[in-house]
Amino acid sequence: QKEVEQNSGPLSVPEGAIASLNCTYSDRGSQSFFWYRQYSGKSPELIMFIYSNGDKEDGRFTAQLNKASQYVSLLIRDSQPSDSATYLCAVTGDSGYSTLTFGKGTMLLVSP
Amino acid sequence: ETGVTQTPRHLVMGMTNKKSLKCEQHLGHNAMYWYKQSAKKPLELMFVYSLEERVENNSVPSRFSPECPNSSHLFLHLHTLQPEDSALYLCASSLNFRDTDTQYFGPGTRLTVL
Repeated sequence: QKEVEQNSGPLSVPEGAIASLNCTYSDRGSQSFFWYRQYSGKSPELIMFIYSNGDKEDGRFTAQLNKASQYVSLLIRDSQPSDSATYLCAVTGDSGYSTLTFGKGTMLLVSP
Repeated sequence: ETGVTQTPRHLVMGMTNKKSLKCEQHLGHNAMYWYKQSAKKPLELMFVYSLEERVENNSVPSRFSPECPNSSHLFLHLHTLQPEDSALYLCASSLNFRDTDTQYFGPGTRLTVL
């Protein structure tokens, strides 16, 4: 059974701070990793994807991947109240196909 | 319309009813997915179609029946559902069924089974 674990939160940070969201996965053969943001009552929207070990930056967002530790994280710099949402970590397997296993998500609350 | 659309957005049905959920993608993608999202549970993949052929069926009960008549449309036919089937049903699409292809989600159908 493939598992993706996330702290459910809520993670509370003040506006302007760095929010750090973490995710661990059980399938050592996982190849692709995605972060989605889901506002309450809405559908998930892609924030970032990462395939290789290391860091990947896109604006205020940085994804970090460590395959040896089976760990992926998302950093949000200069957090804004509009970043308040649930962040979903999703991981593919080793089949080469887009079969995603999702974590339960971490709720982020950014206070003004 | 752009992206991935789903209809209806809300559906209330009795356990003896038959209804269908519709998904349409306007992105030129070749793979489409049905997911179920229940409270306090992660998104669960139900079905995957790639080039109109079903390639994944995650042990979903037969009361859920998918149909993919072409690469732009996906249906989920529902019959004799149970109250525990109440959830948000999300459709997604990706360019192809490769693990590097990003999945884009529709707005979902909120289903309530009485």
